[in-house]
Amino acid sequence: DSGVTQTPKHLITATGQRVTLRCSPRSGDLSVYWYQQSLDQGLQFLIQYYNGEERAKGNILERFSAQQFPDLHSELNLSSLELGDSALYFCASSEGLTIDGYTFGSGTRLTVV
Amino acid sequence: QQPVQSPQAVILREGEDAVINCSSSKALYSVHWYRQKHGEAPVFLMILLKGGEQKGHDKISASFNEKKQQSSLYLTASQLSYSGTYFCGTDLIIQGAQKLVFGQGTRLTINP
Repeated sequence: DSGVTQTPKHLITATGQRVTLRCSPRSGDLSVYWYQQSLDQGLQFLIQYYNGEERAKGNILERFSAQQFPDLHSELNLSSLELGDSALYFCASSEGLTIDGYTFGSGTRLTVV
Repeated sequence: QQPVQSPQAVILREGEDAVINCSSSKALYSVHWYRQKHGEAPVFLMILLKGGEQKGHDKISASFNEKKQQSSLYLTASQLSYSGTYFCGTDLIIQGAQKLVFGQGTRLTINP
């Protein structure tokens, strides 16, 4: 157990639907990062939050949004889902804003049918 | 922005050595190395800071050449447990916040 909790572990949904992925960071970590990993692909950075505020954006689609709550857990919302959105979505956390190792959660596998 | 890793895949016999390279077109503050086993989360191995510092973890070590914007991961006397995909990550500091960008990964297979 890495200390980063992601739920659900698996999600199967239809095209056009909306889903919410949840992440609880490791205790004491203020930064949360979301990554997308498609089949046999690398980790694509989506977005970062630090202590409740959005701090950096990557290649995140407009259909996707995220937030970090006062208790530091984060949610990634994916809407108008397409087949191509099927992927592993990882959440990672770190203590602060700068140079630090990331702790990854076990991921949510999203399948859009 | 994405660092480039080489080789894309390596197949070794147990006990052999391997080197995985990571290079970037941008100035680097640090380089991270992670290992991901199939279907699992990436696991942090080490960070290297600018200054050419070399770090080690058991029989896995790495170097960072700031001037060449390159890092190399060295796996010595590889064990079956070393199998997996290795990712290097390079960080970009944007508005005071670190954003880690990963390479495409190097798949390492260790055979008995």
